[in-house]
Amino acid sequence: TQLLEQSPQFLSIQEGENLTVYCNSSSVFSSLQWYRQEPGEGPVLLVTVVTGGEVKKLKRLTFQFGDARKDSSLHITAAQPGDTGLYLCAGEATGTASKLTFGTGTRLQVTL
Amino acid sequence: GAVVSQHPSWVICKSGTSVKIECRSLDFQATTMFWYRQFPKQSLMLMATSNEGSKATYEQGVEKDKFLINHASLTLSTLTVTSAHPEDSSFYICSARSGNTYQQYFGPGTRLTVT
Repeated sequence: TQLLEQSPQFLSIQEGENLTVYCNSSSVFSSLQWYRQEPGEGPVLLVTVVTGGEVKKLKRLTFQFGDARKDSSLHITAAQPGDTGLYLCAGEATGTASKLTFGTGTRLQVTL
Repeated sequence: GAVVSQHPSWVICKSGTSVKIECRSLDFQATTMFWYRQFPKQSLMLMATSNEGSKATYEQGVEKDKFLINHASLTLSTLTVTSAHPEDSSFYICSARSGNTYQQYFGPGTRLTVT
């Protein structure tokens, strides 16, 4: 069974602070995705990383895929209240026909 | 583009009854659809994978006779929760993948409450 552990589980910060969310596994993934989910809604894809060591930037969000393709991180700069939500990483293992294994989730709350 | 809808968005049913949830890809043909379940304050857990025209593949621990999945067309998959019990209350989310890409597009979810 492939497990994706996210840390921290919960993070409450003030507007303007920086934060990093980690997604770790002992398994290798062919790609890894990050989603944000609002309460009562489906997850929305933020980014997909496929190459070991890859770094992608999306405005204030920076995503990194580990060299061994077993872990990833999400860094948010100058967090805003609109960043509040549940952040989920999801890995796709090779040969699984795009089945995704979701991480345990990180709930972020950004206050004024 | 790539919009997935679910119906209903929420449903309340009595224990012992069955309820059907629809998942539709609105602007693309979905060769594969996935069904997930999410309990409060938890992550998404894959229940089953369905390919159009063939039987669904269920994840370990998911009862196929209780969660009936039908993927009769390239734009519609249904999940029927049979003989529902309060412990089946959850947020059910589907996703769809077209044959041209491995990206999954997620629906908005269906909140099921069994009383």
